[in-house]
Amino acid sequence: SQQGEEDPQALSIQEGENATMNCSYKTSINNLQWYRQNSGRGLVHLILIRSNEREKHSGRLRVTLDTSKKSSSLLITASRAADTASYFCATDKEGGANSKLTFGKGITLSVRP
Amino acid sequence: KAGVTQTPRYLIKTRGQQVTLSCSPISGHRSVSWYQQTPGQGLQFLFEYFSETQRNKGNFPGRFSGRQFSNSRSEMNVSTLELGDSALYLCASSLLTGNEKLFFGSGTQLSVL
Repeated sequence: SQQGEEDPQALSIQEGENATMNCSYKTSINNLQWYRQNSGRGLVHLILIRSNEREKHSGRLRVTLDTSKKSSSLLITASRAADTASYFCATDKEGGANSKLTFGKGITLSVRP
Repeated sequence: KAGVTQTPRYLIKTRGQQVTLSCSPISGHRSVSWYQQTPGQGLQFLFEYFSETQRNKGNFPGRFSGRQFSNSRSEMNVSTLELGDSALYLCASSLLTGNEKLFFGSGTQLSVL
């Protein structure tokens, strides 16, 4: 079963606008990561936020984590056509020995030029 | 530094055949994880190897197996292929564990006819 679930499933915005994507998860985590995937290619790591962190920034990306609500959001500011891709959240479950990274089903982001 | 290399890029097989996929991790990375990606199920964890030992395994039948060599290169094998095995198989490497930042290859697109 999926640990993380992203929403919305699809998002279409105009270039220059901000894109906000959300991820909810079910069990306590050690960390939460966001990845991007261009069509038919491998995933690219964007950012990792640990359970004791609330917010992280990387360039035009801002990630927040609310462990009380078991949710995270990824904000891409001033979007570009090149940001068009699928975005996945992945969680590392807390406490499990040899736990694995579990991915959500992804959000398809389309940025219109 | 070279990225994660997966071969072959595309593969077409028929039901009942077996297939071996190869993954060369980033130099110095000791953990290799394998994921199956399909439109319906998203990314599903197959297994993780670390220093030639299987560290974790997902919920896949025994037809799916893997191994890791002393140089950290990894192979996965699927025997008695089924139509439902058609998928993008992704390999990812990381420095230590499979729960931190993963570096993905471009994947092997397997079609079973």
